[in-house]
Amino acid sequence: KAGVTQTPRYLIKTRGQQVTLSCSPISGHRSVSWYQQTPGQGLQFLFEYFSETQRNKGNFPGRFSGRQFSNSRSEMNVSTLELGDSALYLCASSPKAGPSTDTQYFGPGTRLTVL
Amino acid sequence: GESVGLHLPTLSVQEGDNSIINCAYSNSASDYFIWYKQESGKGPQFIIDIRSNMDKRQGQRVTVLLNKTVKHLSLQIAATQPGDSAVYFCAERGTGFQKLVFGTGTRLLVSP
Repeated sequence: KAGVTQTPRYLIKTRGQQVTLSCSPISGHRSVSWYQQTPGQGLQFLFEYFSETQRNKGNFPGRFSGRQFSNSRSEMNVSTLELGDSALYLCASSPKAGPSTDTQYFGPGTRLTVL
Repeated sequence: GESVGLHLPTLSVQEGDNSIINCAYSNSASDYFIWYKQESGKGPQFIIDIRSNMDKRQGQRVTVLLNKTVKHLSLQIAATQPGDSAVYFCAERGTGFQKLVFGTGTRLLVSP
């Protein structure tokens, strides 16, 4: 079974631009979560989507948004990019199909650099 | 609380030794705990998990111990190999759609 895939793997943007990152979960997984990883703050939760609905949200400004499609694929968008948004953005999927099926499996991440 | 990854503690071991990586978690209501391994340039890779109704779980070469009394989690790696060199994160979570909260991470360095 293919793992979580994320595109693009690397991205360079300038301040003020916006960016859209994509995540395809493991086949059959219905939950997709997004995390930001930086050297200074570690792994920080952004949001989780399940059945096209946002179920939980971390402490990030409204410039960070996401959505999930009916095939469970997810996108996250960051508008008005700031230098501090440079990070590795990780997507994780889990089955969430019943008890003990909520283990999250991570993709390779998208490395975003804001200049 | 939220993870703060300012300075990664480092554990250096010799190949063949057993490694123990420790983690103190913050929320006594957390009922699910995971260990992840992250190699340079890659996403975190699932190693082993444990629920709060257990205090020990074993996998292949790895054992996770959970002490709810002192909110402590440990990962034991038997016969550590150079390929085990990576950053190891513990993560905790409550029930349902509670977010995963990650620890700061520990860098494991295995020398031949």
